[in-house]
Amino acid sequence: DTEVTQTPKHLVMGMTNKKSLKCEQHMGHRAMYWYKQKAKKPPELMFVYSYEKLSINESVPSRFSPECPNSSLLNLHLHALQPEDSALYLCASSQVDLIQYQPQHFGDGTRLSIL
Amino acid sequence: ELKVEQNPLFLSMQEGKNYTIYCNYSTTSDRLYWYRQDPGKSLESLFVLLSNGAVKQEGRLMASLDTKARLSTLHITAAVHDLSATYFCAVGGTSGSRLTFGEGTQLTVNP
Repeated sequence: DTEVTQTPKHLVMGMTNKKSLKCEQHMGHRAMYWYKQKAKKPPELMFVYSYEKLSINESVPSRFSPECPNSSLLNLHLHALQPEDSALYLCASSQVDLIQYQPQHFGDGTRLSIL
Repeated sequence: ELKVEQNPLFLSMQEGKNYTIYCNYSTTSDRLYWYRQDPGKSLESLFVLLSNGAVKQEGRLMASLDTKARLSTLHITAAVHDLSATYFCAVGGTSGSRLTFGEGTQLTVNP
């Protein structure tokens, strides 16, 4: 079991649907991340939140909309996705204090399929 | 732009054998991480390497870092089937928390 919890584990949606992915951690981490991972590829960074503020957006299309309601929760709102958006979406968290350089802790991911 | 290269990308080895995975990166960094990922699963942190000459060991895995050569190695000793997974190195950039991942090494250990 990981300390970063993602729901749902699987999601199938049509291109016109709106859905949300959720991520929760209770490790006191103040940095949270969304990654997209295609099969047999490394994770690709999408967004970084630091102290609940968006600090990095890797030029992600606007059909992906992140939200960090508090220090423990991270959401990814999905709307009008394309088939190429089908992937494993991973959430991660870490300490913000760079001096510690602790690793990012990953959730188990949400496997997203766009019909 | 930071680039991270791993090799080999695919590694099939027999149980009991030793092998090394290499991770090269293109610009100065002060932190390097190794992760393991089983199929369909999350990434599990294995090692954090922060200084030149750092060496860390856990079971049959040993990781090292040479910041001058911009090279990290992950050495596998007397491989067992349970080590079959994909191994990623990830390098920290100079700006904030961003990590750049290598392509991953898909390791298969055969009986």
